[in-house]
Amino acid sequence: GAGVSQSPSNKVTEKGKDVELRCDPISGHTALYWYRQSLGQGLEFLIYFQGNSAPDKSGLPSDRFSAERTGGSVSTLTIQRTQQEDSAVYLCASSSRRDGTYEQYFGPGTRLTVT
Amino acid sequence: TQLLEQSPQFLSIQEGENLTVYCNSSSVFSSLQWYRQEPGEGPVLLVTVVTGGEVKKLKRLTFQFGDARKDSSLHITAAQPGDTGLYLCAGAGPYNTDKLIFGTGTRLQVFP
Repeated sequence: GAGVSQSPSNKVTEKGKDVELRCDPISGHTALYWYRQSLGQGLEFLIYFQGNSAPDKSGLPSDRFSAERTGGSVSTLTIQRTQQEDSAVYLCASSSRRDGTYEQYFGPGTRLTVT
Repeated sequence: TQLLEQSPQFLSIQEGENLTVYCNSSSVFSSLQWYRQEPGEGPVLLVTVVTGGEVKKLKRLTFQFGDARKDSSLHITAAQPGDTGLYLCAGAGPYNTDKLIFGTGTRLQVFP
């Protein structure tokens, strides 16, 4: 079956422009997560969704970052007025409850470069 | 705030050596997962441990969950170059089980 897909795989944008990153989760997965990973670093949590609701947005770095999820499926992470410090790999994961645990399945990521 | 510290941060070894990666916290988790990430890819789930004291084996990899469910270890026997990657532990709960707290990561390089 299809895994988590993300698009685009690479995005180069100029400072100050807006970008949209897309995540297609595994079909039927109720939870969807966004993370950011800087070069060689661990994962920085941004936001997660249960269905279309976002119970925890605590990781969003500033009000330039927003995300939505529609139809309990596709999610879009939007970064407005991009800055150079936004350059990173943005990872999406989806999961569904199994035996009381949520095991996350990750997409390949979108590498964002802000010039 | 729940934090998961991993040690060591970096590990470079020769093929055939054994190694252990540690994942420690002062918080209790309802379950703990281990992921491996290779360059240019997303993390891939290796194992989930749920019960305190639980030991799981995956070929040459042995995972243990601490009795108090605050820590975990990953032991690799006879490491191979294919084991190279970033290893991440991630804890869930104990109250909010659908959000994982990821560890700081251990970058392993195995040389032939």
